[in-house]
Amino acid sequence: DQQVKQNSPSLSVQEGRISILNCDYTNSMFDYFLWYKKYPAEGPTFLISISSIKDKNEDGRFTVFLNKSAKHLSLHIVPSQPGDSAVYFCAASDSRGSQGNLIFGKGTKLSVKP
Amino acid sequence: EAGVAQSPRYKIIEKRQSVAFWCNPISGHATLYWYQQILGQGPKLLIQFQNNGVVDDSQLPKDRFSAERLKGVDSTLKIQPAKLEDSAVYLCASSLRRNNEKLFFGSGTQLSVL
Repeated sequence: DQQVKQNSPSLSVQEGRISILNCDYTNSMFDYFLWYKKYPAEGPTFLISISSIKDKNEDGRFTVFLNKSAKHLSLHIVPSQPGDSAVYFCAASDSRGSQGNLIFGKGTKLSVKP
Repeated sequence: EAGVAQSPRYKIIEKRQSVAFWCNPISGHATLYWYQQILGQGPKLLIQFQNNGVVDDSQLPKDRFSAERLKGVDSTLKIQPAKLEDSAVYLCASSLRRNNEKLFFGSGTQLSVL
């Protein structure tokens, strides 16, 4: 059973427009959420995170929104740039758990076209 | 600051052979993780070390997989004997402390089992 779901395997966006990547989770114990970005042949790199006590976190062009009641979070990239083309993974953890291990979604491949 | 180092980058073996992967985490990072990423999936945790002790190995197929982190620094993950379904990218990650969700990943080892 997938605890973190990214239902869109791919997304194509025009340069300069907004990219919205979605993520749903099922475990109500999750209290910390992260987005990782992965280029081919590289490991994932941390992008942005949000604690469950917040509903929004912003870092430059990247904003993550959290809707706890819907168990849904989204990553907004504005404006999108060709260099943003990568696979984006949503991850979640229960930081109060004994390990706080990250559970990853399957990823969404974002293509930003010039 | 040097990142997480992994070797080899690629490995091709036949089923029933053995293989080993090496990881050197970021200096000072107490927690080390091995993840398995099958094509089209998100990374899945195999084992987590805190210094040289195992914190979580609940998803490690212990009949064929083993890992060690001698002296609490670098780590080795071994598969013996390999199966076709072990074909995946094996990612090593480290974090400053346990329950620190900001993981730093290496570039991974891509394993193909024929």
